[in-house]
This record gives sequence, structure tokens and C-alpha cells, in this order.
Amino acid sequence: AQSVSQHNHHVILSEAASLELGCNYSYGGTVNLFWYVQYPGQHLQLLLKYFSGDPLVKGIKGFEAEFIKSKFSFNLRKPSVQWSDTAEYFCAVNAHGQNFVFGPGTRLSVLP
Amino acid sequence: GAVVSQHPSRVICKSGTSVKIECRSLDFQATTMFWYRQFPKKSLMLMATSNEGSKATYEQGVEKDKFLINHASLTLSTLTVTSAHPEDSSFYICSARRTSGSIDIQYFGAGTRLSVL
Repeated sequence: AQSVSQHNHHVILSEAASLELGCNYSYGGTVNLFWYVQYPGQHLQLLLKYFSGDPLVKGIKGFEAEFIKSKFSFNLRKPSVQWSDTAEYFCAVNAHGQNFVFGPGTRLSVLP
Repeated sequence: GAVVSQHPSRVICKSGTSVKIECRSLDFQATTMFWYRQFPKKSLMLMATSNEGSKATYEQGVEKDKFLINHASLTLSTLTVTSAHPEDSSFYICSARRTSGSIDIQYFGAGTRLSVL
């Protein structure tokens, strides 16, 4: 069965700091990879996705993620975070035709 | 704009009553929709997979007689919490799966906060 782990439960950064949130999955076959974000009081929104092609994926709001197949990882990065990036971030994986599996989430708190 | 609409956003009910939550895909047809439950400071817990025209598939530990799911059309799935009790109070989120060729994305509704008194 697929599983998704996220390295950090809660990350606290100051504005302008760089961000990297880890995500690892366990599945040997071809997968689609996603990062979703949930801002306080709002619903889950798709931040970026990877299906195939260039393993470096750029998403909205300056976020990017890199798929490293050999490491089964899909880490989320942003060079300079803002206070408005405070949110819960979920990594998700699905194999073709199978259900999505979500990671436990990482709470990001950005201090002004 | 939102591609999945969930209604109501908040409901408060008395213990023993039933509550229906609607999930609509707005600009695409979704043969598969999902219902999740999110506990405070926790990740999403998949409750069931709703398939248009067939019975829902429930995850282990989810009571199918308590959480009734109907997916009568390609754009609408409903979750009915029957005989709700305070322990059913939670945040319920639906999502609709959009597939086209190699594209396979879930879009989420805004969620419904259920409070059972």
C-alpha cells in the first residue's frame, strides 16, 4: 500500500527565510505527486502537481517542488517566505487509477 | 474560482437529527468524489469513495449506515450523517476527481463544519 510521510509537523520561520518541506512516499510504480495548501479558515487548494516531464515543478505563489525518483521524494521549496504563507501544507500521491494518499501535513508559521 | 461547491459551510444540529451535506463539481463531470473528515490539527481522513451510479466504498472503521452517501449524478454527491451525536462533530470535506488523459487531480470543496449539540 502507498504511504506518504512529511518530515516536519510544525515549521516556524521568519519572513524572508527559505523554506523546504520534505515529503517522501512509498510506492514502486509510476505516481502523480501533489502539494496542497490550506490557509487558516480556508479550504484545501492545489499548490502544484507533477505528472511527468521536468522533475522541477513550479507552482503558484513562488513555490516549487522537485521530484527525485531515486529518493522517492517530492520536497516543496520557496526561497523567501512571507507571513501570508502561514498555512498547513499537505503532500499527496496517487498511482494511476488508485486513491490519493495524503501525508499528515506540515504546519508552517511565518513570523512577521 | 471554485470548481467544487460544498453546502452548507456550517451546520449546528441537535443530537439525534440527520444532516445532509452536498458536494457539486461546477464545471466538470466527476465520476468519483471523495468524502473526508478532518479533526483539529490533523490530516485528512478518507471516509469513503463515492462512485456515480454505484454504491460508495467505505474505509475501514467508517459506519456506512451512519454516513450515507449518494452519488446520483456526475456533478453531485451527498453525505448524510444520520442520527448525529456530539462525537460526529467535525469538519467534513468533499473532493471531486477530475481526469482527462494523463491528468488526474482532486479539487476540494470548502468544507462543512458540523456541530452536534
